[in-house]
Amino acid sequence: DTAVSQTPKYLVTQMGNDKSIKCEQNLGHDTMYWYKQDSKKFLKIMFSYNNKELIINETVPNRFSPKSPDKAHLNLHINSLELGDSAVYFCASSPTGLALLGANVLTFGAGSRLTVL
Amino acid sequence: DAKTTQPTSMDCAEGRAANLPCNHSTISGNEYVYWYRQIHSQGPQYIIHGLKNNETNEMASLIITEDRKSSTLILPHATLRDTAVYYCIVRVAGGTSYGKLTFGQGTILTVHP
Repeated sequence: DTAVSQTPKYLVTQMGNDKSIKCEQNLGHDTMYWYKQDSKKFLKIMFSYNNKELIINETVPNRFSPKSPDKAHLNLHINSLELGDSAVYFCASSPTGLALLGANVLTFGAGSRLTVL
Repeated sequence: DAKTTQPTSMDCAEGRAANLPCNHSTISGNEYVYWYRQIHSQGPQYIIHGLKNNETNEMASLIITEDRKSSTLILPHATLRDTAVYYCIVRVAGGTSYGKLTFGQGTILTVHP
């Protein structure tokens, strides 16, 4: 069983389109994240949700909208895709922040490579 | 979060110990040292973390100096599958933005036969 699963793994689309990436975790974690890894391989956090509530929003354009229907799912919807959105997007999860020592022990998914043409 | 400094790249022979250093001279008393790695085309993987005592798990050992200004990740018997980018991250355990990890450039470890 994959702990953190993302779909699709690859996504190629045209500028201006709207696309979604789905993420599910079966670890029972309360917190989920989206990270972005750009072409220079830098990994940066975009969002985090704790029990379906937005905790971190790192100055991400409004075109990016995360949605958490329940604490096991965190989807990322991107409107009006731009060339600069091309990257690998990683979903991750961790135990609730109340479990202090585990709060920064993240389990990452395999990534979703988005290519905008 | 404290800034970390790691060598850009390191080599290691298969079967030998890989010792990956990290400097974090501005670390605060409540900040932990976390190590993650990213194997090519995969997501980052948590390895180990510690506060001030040395730590060991099934993957690696973490040695933190007494003044906590530097640490070393040790892979005791490196295999080809340990070839990856290794990230040293310093972070408080909780706080309002837990899980917000700052990944630097890391150390590219290449294990060769």
